Amino acid sequence: QSVLTQPPSVSGAPGQRVTISCTGSSSNIGAGYDVHWYQQLPGTAPKLLIYGNSNRPSGVPDRFSGSKSGTSASLAITGLQAEDEADYYCQSYDSSLSGREGVFGGGTKLTVL
Amino acid sequence: QVQLVQSGAEVKKPGASVKVSCKASGYTFTSYYMHWVRQAPGQGLEWMGIINPSGGSTSYAQKFQGRVTMTRDTSTSTVYMELSSLRSEDTAVYYCAREEYSSSSGYYGMDVWGQGTTVTVSS
Repeated sequence: QSVLTQPPSVSGAPGQRVTISCTGSSSNIGAGYDVHWYQQLPGTAPKLLIYGNSNRPSGVPDRFSGSKSGTSASLAITGLQAEDEADYYCQSYDSSLSGREGVFGGGTKLTVL
Repeated sequence: QVQLVQSGAEVKKPGASVKVSCKASGYTFTSYYMHWVRQAPGQGLEWMGIINPSGGSTSYAQKFQGRVTMTRDTSTSTVYMELSSLRSEDTAVYYCAREEYSSSSGYYGMDVWGQGTTVTVSS
């Protein structure tokens, strides 16, 4: 069971908008830690999609956007394209007994219909 | 160009140890933290720990405390992750990934990843 909770799957038709939620708690997202989002295509290493809650690295299309509020964060993808079909993970930090630990969501599989 | 190149696939027996390397190039090695993340077959990403190549300080996930050791060699810009007392559940792809940190702006996410190293634990 992951510390950050994501829906296992979402789907949408080409051109549509989808959102992926990432729910945490007062010891991670709610404690003020930033949320980052990664896209993982089959058989490849993850790719940074959004950092610091809502910032896009150079080269990431503006169809991808992120937000954070309270103990949750969201990734939105507009104008869905076939190439967006992938697994998406949120990541943050958690204040644990041993200090600060990185934590990931369980991942969400996006299917483009 | 900026890249992280990991060592090759490993096959180990239960109870053994494995040491995976991650060689950085194209940037100032000591200016970025390095994470280790693993992914079991068909599963999600799991954070194992982080090392600061500048001073060598480390922080490990509670789950791996006592079994994992992360080190670095600044002369070769290489970080290492050693996992001991291997069991079948440790079969996974292991990734290194760098992250920039700024005291004023915080963390910038893992922006460059290694290609992954497959570790198979089997008797």
